[in-house]
Amino acid sequence: DVKVTQSSRYLVKRTGEKVFLECVQDMDHENMFWYRQDPGLGLRLIYFSYDVKMKEKGDIPEGYSVSREKKERFSLILESASTNQTSMYLCASKTRLASSYNEQFFGPGTRLTVL
Amino acid sequence: QQQVKQSPQSLIVQKGGISIINCAYENTAFDYFPWYQQFPGKGPALLIAIRPDVSEKKEGRFTISFNKSAKQFSLHIMDSQPGDSATYFCAATPETSGSRLTFGEGTQLTVNP
Repeated sequence: DVKVTQSSRYLVKRTGEKVFLECVQDMDHENMFWYRQDPGLGLRLIYFSYDVKMKEKGDIPEGYSVSREKKERFSLILESASTNQTSMYLCASKTRLASSYNEQFFGPGTRLTVL
Repeated sequence: QQQVKQSPQSLIVQKGGISIINCAYENTAFDYFPWYQQFPGKGPALLIAIRPDVSEKKEGRFTISFNKSAKQFSLHIMDSQPGDSATYFCAATPETSGSRLTFGEGTQLTVNP
C-alpha cells in the first residue's frame, strides 16, 4: 500500500516564525503536491513538484515555498507564519507512469494553528 | 476563481436514502472527473472517477452521472449508510495538465441511523 506520511498531525506556531512541514512517500512517486484545506473552499493547490529539485506554483503560492531534495520527501515552508495561514495542510503523491488519470494518494494532514 | 462548483455544502440523509452531490465546471478542456472521500482525521482517498466518453459509471452503491453538454456531473450514493458519513470532493483535470486536479468546495455528508 502507498503510504504518505506527514511529520506532525498538529502544530502550533507564533506569528513570524519559520515553519517547516514535512511529507514523505514510500512508493517512488515522481509527483508530489501540497494543498491547504479550508471549510467551504475545498482543497487548494499551493505547490507541486514533478521531480527532484523541480517545483511549480499552484493556485495560492504566496507566503509559501517548497523544497524537494530527495524523491521521497517534499517540504512546505512558511517563511514568516501569519494567522491567515492557520489551516489544514495536506500532502499528496502520484506516479507519473501514464497520465493525469492516476490516483493521488494523500497523507493524513497537518493542522497548523498560527497564534 | 473556483473552476469547479460543488453543492450542497452539507447534506443530511436518513439511512437507506439516496445522497446526491452535484458539481459544475467551466473549463471545457477538463476530461477526467474523480470523486474523493475524506473521513475525519484522514486524508482524502479516491472513491470513483469518470471520463466524458461515458454518461454514467457505477461501482457498488456509488454512481457518477455525467452531462457533458451541461458541464455537470454528480455523485449518487444509493442505500446510504452511516459509514458513508464523510466529506466528499469532486475534482477535474485536463489531460494536458499533467498532474493538477481542481477540486470543488466539498460536501459534508451525514447519514443518520
